[in-house]
Amino acid sequence: GEKVEQHQSTLSVREGDSAVINCTYTDTASSYFPWYKQEAGKSLHFVIDIRSNVDRKQSQRLTVLLDKKAKRFSLHITATQPEDSAIYFCAASTPMNTGGLSGKLTFGEGTQVTVIS
Amino acid sequence: DPKIIQKPKYLVAVTGSEKILICEQYLGHNAMYWYRQSAKKPLEFMFSYSYQKLMDNQTASSRFQPQSSKKNHLDLQITALKPDDSATYFCASRQDRGGDAEQFFGPGTRLTVL
Repeated sequence: GEKVEQHQSTLSVREGDSAVINCTYTDTASSYFPWYKQEAGKSLHFVIDIRSNVDRKQSQRLTVLLDKKAKRFSLHITATQPEDSAIYFCAASTPMNTGGLSGKLTFGEGTQVTVIS
Repeated sequence: DPKIIQKPKYLVAVTGSEKILICEQYLGHNAMYWYRQSAKKPLEFMFSYSYQKLMDNQTASSRFQPQSSKKNHLDLQITALKPDDSATYFCASRQDRGGDAEQFFGPGTRLTVL
């Protein structure tokens, strides 16, 4: 089955700098890649996603890049702010064996981002 | 107002007992999910339901049984609880239109099995 790896367990950045979180996946059939943010003791909050028919998507200070050949995707956060501090999870959605989409998300281990003022 | 309600927020159980985790969503979604997050493993998909039918099951143990009594409900019954079942269980939902879309997560139920 699909495996998603996040290569940094922690990431510290100075306020105003950029942060980049990298993920890789294994299943070439994966077609949807969302990112979620989890603050301490809270649930997951959707931040941005990208589908496999594009290689870049931007939403305000967030940009997701997708490299299907390398099976790699990344989240770029520009002009970081203290409220960006959280655990960020990447995920991949893979079709079922039948070809249908169940919505199953396979998550990476998470990256703790700390923005230092 | 919370759009996905999970009850209870915290749950303590003894080994061997049975508990039901409640999930209700008021987003009008037709697909619901259960995920588990523990200290030992990353967020782990358990079940997906679409139009109250099981779509995908990645839980090896039959001790975990989802129950959908209404289209906006997906409860999780766990029997013969073990300490390894201790985790936070998240319910999620999305609108299934045949493609992928953002999933919204509930606040979670933190289960501790003693």
